[in-house]
Amino acid sequence: EAQVTQNPRYLITVTGKKLTVTCSQNMNHEYMSWYRQDPGLGLRQIYYSMNVEVTDKGDVPEGYKVSRKEKRNFPLILESPSPNQTSLYFCASSRGGEKLFFGSGTQLSVL
Amino acid sequence: GENVEQHPSTLSVQEGDSAVIKCTYSDSASNYFPWYKQELGKGPQLIIDIRSNVGEKKDQRIAVTLNKTAKHFSLHITETQPEDSAVYFCAASKAGGTSYGKLTFGQGTILTVHP
Repeated sequence: EAQVTQNPRYLITVTGKKLTVTCSQNMNHEYMSWYRQDPGLGLRQIYYSMNVEVTDKGDVPEGYKVSRKEKRNFPLILESPSPNQTSLYFCASSRGGEKLFFGSGTQLSVL
Repeated sequence: GENVEQHPSTLSVQEGDSAVIKCTYSDSASNYFPWYKQELGKGPQLIIDIRSNVGEKKDQRIAVTLNKTAKHFSLHITETQPEDSAVYFCAASKAGGTSYGKLTFGQGTILTVHP
């Protein structure tokens, strides 16, 4: 089954404790991206990657890091999380940046 | 950068009625406009998309129209059903070239269809 898998589904952490949200896709897609969803603000792009070792900033990259060492994986790293990064996070993949397939989301709470 | 405004933020209709959601964009170079539906507890799912060289596209009960001059595009759902209840997002991007990766979403519309 074609899918984008994010882990964990729910995460509660404390300010400053480094964390990683994993994302994996099994569709051999070149393009992957991360979004955060906040009430009233819609989905905002954090980072995207057009292929292995190629990443670029979206609209809200501050406080986040990504890496794309393998085609199927695109982890999101928060090195020092803060409460304003409490949000619902989505990973997505596609062929060529269109027709995105989204994961089921990761609800992050930073206390 | 691109800015996408979406209206209304909430929309309530009776089953069988039509629903229309509108979006405006700021960057005249944007040429790809998808619409996503998000059901409760799930990730968004693409329902229809349109490119700037097409004025209208239809898929069963769903249609999208694009007015490049005015820089706005709309989603039309006819004969609404309770299962159409969800959050709908519009988006805009520049497909092709070196900047295709950036995708800007609207704020979302919560559609409720009453039986």
